[in-house]
Amino acid sequence: EVQLLESGGGLVQPGGSLRLSCAASGFSFNNYAMGWVRQSPGEGLEWVSTIGGTGRTTYYADSVKGRFTISRDSSKNMLYLQMKSLRAEDTAVYYCAKYSYDSARSALDSWGQGTLVTVSS
Amino acid sequence: EVVLTQSPGTLSLSPGERATLSCRASQSLYINYLAWYQQKPGQPPRLVIYGASSRASGIPERFSGSGSGTDFSLTISRLEPDDFAMYYCQHYGTSPFTFGPGTKVDIK
Repeated sequence: EVQLLESGGGLVQPGGSLRLSCAASGFSFNNYAMGWVRQSPGEGLEWVSTIGGTGRTTYYADSVKGRFTISRDSSKNMLYLQMKSLRAEDTAVYYCAKYSYDSARSALDSWGQGTLVTVSS
Repeated sequence: EVVLTQSPGTLSLSPGERATLSCRASQSLYINYLAWYQQKPGQPPRLVIYGASSRASGIPERFSGSGSGTDFSLTISRLEPDDFAMYYCQHYGTSPFTFGPGTKVDIK
């Protein structure tokens, strides 16, 4: 059974940094692209970032480009999202998600429960 | 950037009725790389349809997807109580892999 467990969320001041982690299990981590999707309170889903199975290919939404960095550690089956220069509009639940294949051109077939990031002074 | 528009914003129906949700793309999608997700309050999204028309694992046959190019739809043939939720479409052909704003299916 695929399991994705996010951690690292919390309250951070504007301009601050935070690193989200996602522990993956139940599948061959190296063989799948992974991504982050966020959802602001009461709002819809927003795709944030995607990384290929080898970690060499990454994609970012314009809203986070240059501020967020996605990475993965295949030896630990971990996905990360390093966030810096955080803004109030980054406040959201951040979901870790698994793609159906080792390609961003596939659907997100498994999701974690999410971790809440609140950016406020 | 592909912009997805979903309609209606809210669909109020009774159990047993048919639901048809629309997702329109601002440009033709690459090889129908379109997915539908269901989300209930306090829960993560769940994949329902991928490739515009393929049901995800564990999804009941009453869910079907169709469309191509710029116009896509999700149909729930006979609504069951468990189907009342938000539904989002997403394209995944080219970055950015945007989501639509969602359609809420609620009980009439």
